[in-house]
Amino acid sequence: ILNVEQSPQSLHVQEGDSTNFTCSFPSSNFYALHWYRWETAKSPEALFVMTLNGDEKKKGRISATLNTKEGYSYLYIKGSQPEDSATYLCAMLMDSNYQLIWGAGTKLIIKP
Amino acid sequence: DSGVTQTPKHLITATGQRVTLRCSPRSGDLSVYWYQQSLDQGLQFLIQYYNGEERAKGNILERFSAQQFPDLHSELNLSSLELGDSALYFCASSVSGTLAGNTIYFGEGSWLTVV
Repeated sequence: ILNVEQSPQSLHVQEGDSTNFTCSFPSSNFYALHWYRWETAKSPEALFVMTLNGDEKKKGRISATLNTKEGYSYLYIKGSQPEDSATYLCAMLMDSNYQLIWGAGTKLIIKP
Repeated sequence: DSGVTQTPKHLITATGQRVTLRCSPRSGDLSVYWYQQSLDQGLQFLIQYYNGEERAKGNILERFSAQQFPDLHSELNLSSLELGDSALYFCASSVSGTLAGNTIYFGEGSWLTVV
C-alpha cells in the first residue's frame, strides 16, 4: 500500500511567525510531487509541481523543497498571514501511473 | 476561479436513488478527474478520462460510473446510493493525460448528502 504522509495534521501559528510542514512519500518509483492549497469553501489550488531531487520552488512567501532520495518535501511559509489559513495538501505521482496519491493534508490556522 | 465548473453545488437525495454530477473542464483541457472527499478520509481518486477515453481507474465502486463526452464535459453517475456515499465530489481537469509537469485544476465540488 502506497502512503503519502503529511505532518503535522494541524498547526496553529501566530501571525507573523514562519512555519513549515512535511510531506513524506515512498522514494521508489517517484515521478513528481504536487503541493496544493485548499481554503474552506473553495477548490484546491495548485502551488507547486516538483520533479527533481533538490528542487526548490517559491511563490511569494511560500516555498517548497524536494528530497526524492529520502522521500520528503517541506513547505515553508514565511511571515504567516491570516489569509494563509488553509489545508495544505501534497500528492505524489509515481512513475508510469496516472494517479496522484494524496496525503491527508496539514490544516494551518493563523492566529491574529 | 479555476475554470472548472461543477453542477449541482449541493444535492440531497434518499438512499437507493441515483444522481448525476456534471463537470465542464477548463477550456483546452483534455483530461478530467473525479475525486471523492469524505469527512474522515483524504482525497480519493475515482476515475480519469482523457479525450473521451477512460485513462485510469481508482477506488470507484461498481455502483458508480462516469463518462466523458465529445465536447469533453464529464458526468459521474452514482446509483443505489447509500448513506456512506455522502461526500464532496470534486472534478478536476488538466491539459494532458500526464501530471508529471502539469497541475490539475479543481472545480468547487458537488456536496452530496444521502439521507
